[in-house]
Amino acid sequence: QVQLQESGPGLVKPSETLSLTCSVSGGSISSYYWSWIRQPPGKGLEWIGNIYYSGRSNYNPSLHSRVTISVDTSNNQFSLQLFSVTAADTALYYCARGMAALVDDAFNIWGQGTMVTVSS
Amino acid sequence: SYVLTQPPSVSVAPGQTARITCGGTNIGSKSVHWYQQKPGQAPVLVVYDDTDRPSGIPERFSGSNSGNTATLTISRVEAGDEADYHCQVWDNNNDHFWVFGGGTKLTVL
Repeated sequence: QVQLQESGPGLVKPSETLSLTCSVSGGSISSYYWSWIRQPPGKGLEWIGNIYYSGRSNYNPSLHSRVTISVDTSNNQFSLQLFSVTAADTALYYCARGMAALVDDAFNIWGQGTMVTVSS
Repeated sequence: SYVLTQPPSVSVAPGQTARITCGGTNIGSKSVHWYQQKPGQAPVLVVYDDTDRPSGIPERFSGSNSGNTATLTISRVEAGDEADYHCQVWDNNNDHFWVFGGGTKLTVL
């Protein structure tokens, strides 16, 4: 079965770039949309953006100017870069996969999440 | 941008029925997905496309969607259903992006 695993630094300094990778195992990254979602401590879920295996992406308008999501099909992984971070970007970051190939398919597979703290 | 409104909390006694609402302008024209999230765990999809259940989700979980309100209904509530529940829609009006509701904490009394 397909599993997702987030990886990356747990601590990022203000104004620097947050970089995370989601590794896909048990299946191919092809033919699906792959998303990044975050959850600040004690708060709700916020979708950051997604990418299709072909490289086509969509971003949350509130974060669009600071986000880049990329895909590496040869290594079966996709990545998130969030630029110019502040304390407000402190959150648990999840990667997730849609049920099928449509952009509006629900997320049926999630990673366990990785906590990122922005602090000097 | 599109906004989804959920009550912060819902409480129900074991064996009773819990109804968690998700409000949005003309949400009945969109497909709504629901997730259950227990403390320290990633969200789990419990209802998709308004009314469908993934395999392994009990029939006690059901959904409806009409007008300006979508509803997740949990029948015969059990202690293990205590969790946060999040609704989600794809906003394809102007921008194209996912929107989540603020989440509802279900407490089993």
